[in-house]
Amino acid sequence: SQQGEEDPQALSIQEGENATMNCSYKTSINNLQWYRQNSGRGLVHLILIRSNEREKHSGRLRVTLDTSKKSSSLLITASRAADTASYFCATAPGFQKLVFGTGTRLLVSP
Amino acid sequence: DTEVTQTPKHLVMGMTNKKSLKCEQHMGHRAMYWYKQKAKKPPELMFVYSYEKLSINESVPSRFSPECPNSSLLNLHLHALQPEDSALYLCASSHLPPGLAGYDEQYFGPGTRLTVT
Repeated sequence: SQQGEEDPQALSIQEGENATMNCSYKTSINNLQWYRQNSGRGLVHLILIRSNEREKHSGRLRVTLDTSKKSSSLLITASRAADTASYFCATAPGFQKLVFGTGTRLLVSP
Repeated sequence: DTEVTQTPKHLVMGMTNKKSLKCEQHMGHRAMYWYKQKAKKPPELMFVYSYEKLSINESVPSRFSPECPNSSLLNLHLHALQPEDSALYLCASSHLPPGLAGYDEQYFGPGTRLTVT
């Protein structure tokens, strides 16, 4: 089964609100990455957090990692319509194959 | 130049055709990847090239044949595909190949939308 499971599957919010999405994984990892994908296009790398880090920020993005719970969260603050996209976490179980989570579809309405 | 380019953007082919997808990057990255993505699903890794050598093949059927002519180019040769192979094919590159530190951040191209009729 997939290494990363994300929830919620879909999230609909208004501009200016915060969006939080979660990722759970099953085995040990070196790092966990978050990517964004606009409809039908290539993925864009957002943040990489290493297994020895607990929190990382990049602009309006905040990522946390809890290796004891094998989970990560992505928080987007003050969301904009342009944040509408699918968001995927990605991990490498067994350091062999990078596996993407099921994804969260975020819709930000003006 | 921080771009990964892919051609063509769209491709329609019959089950008896032979076609190729092309990917190019000029960032000096030493790893390149092919992914397959079905609608509303996450990308699935197909192949990894590390320093121009095939390092990971995720049990992909032989009707998909990757090729890395040099450090900037990656091809995916297609032959005798099935309708279920219709998908978005994504190419990506990273500065370093996967290793003990895990996977490096990847730069993705816009993809080729493939339809097999």
